[in-house]
Amino acid sequence: KAGVTQTPRYLIKTRGQQVTLSCSPISGHRSVSWYQQTPGQGLQFLFEYFSETQRNKGNFPGRFSGRQFSNSRSEMNVSTLELGDSALYLCASSPQTSGSRNEQFFGPGTRLTVL
Amino acid sequence: GNSVTQMEGPVTLSEEAFLTINCTYTATGYPSLFWYVQYPGEGLQLLLKATKADDKGSNKGFEATYRKETTSFHLEKGSVQVSDSAVYFCALSDSYSGYALNFGKGTSLLVTP
Repeated sequence: KAGVTQTPRYLIKTRGQQVTLSCSPISGHRSVSWYQQTPGQGLQFLFEYFSETQRNKGNFPGRFSGRQFSNSRSEMNVSTLELGDSALYLCASSPQTSGSRNEQFFGPGTRLTVL
Repeated sequence: GNSVTQMEGPVTLSEEAFLTINCTYTATGYPSLFWYVQYPGEGLQLLLKATKADDKGSNKGFEATYRKETTSFHLEKGSVQVSDSAVYFCALSDSYSGYALNFGKGTSLLVTP
């Protein structure tokens, strides 16, 4: 089975721009979560989507948004980029079977640099 | 709220040495506990997990036991290899957090030949 894939792997943007990152979950996984990883704050949960609906949300400003499509692929969008948004953005999918709702499998991440 | 505390790194060991990385947690509910590993330039890989007290997770020679009485989930390996050099993250999730993973800061491990 193919793992979680994320595109693009690397992005360079300037302040004020917006960016869209894409994630394709493992086949059959219906839950997709997004995390931000920075040296200062570590790994922080952004949001989770399940069956095209946001099911859970972390403590991030409204500039961070996401969506999920009917094939479970997910995108996240960051508008009005700030320097502090430079980070590795990780997507994780979960099988959501009985007893494994909290088991998540991660993609390689998208490295976003804001100049 | 939930939180995870890991020992600060970096940890430097010689090949075949014994490894312990300490992890303690605070949780509202009855969490599941995880160890993830991140190799340079890559995402996170699930190393092992435990879903209830006294469970032992194990994988690739790594072990960790869910200790409810001490709220700990320490990672151990009897004989490390150079290929184990990576950053290790302890994490928890429970229903109170909507099953979002709450991570520790990570512990960098360097194994020298």
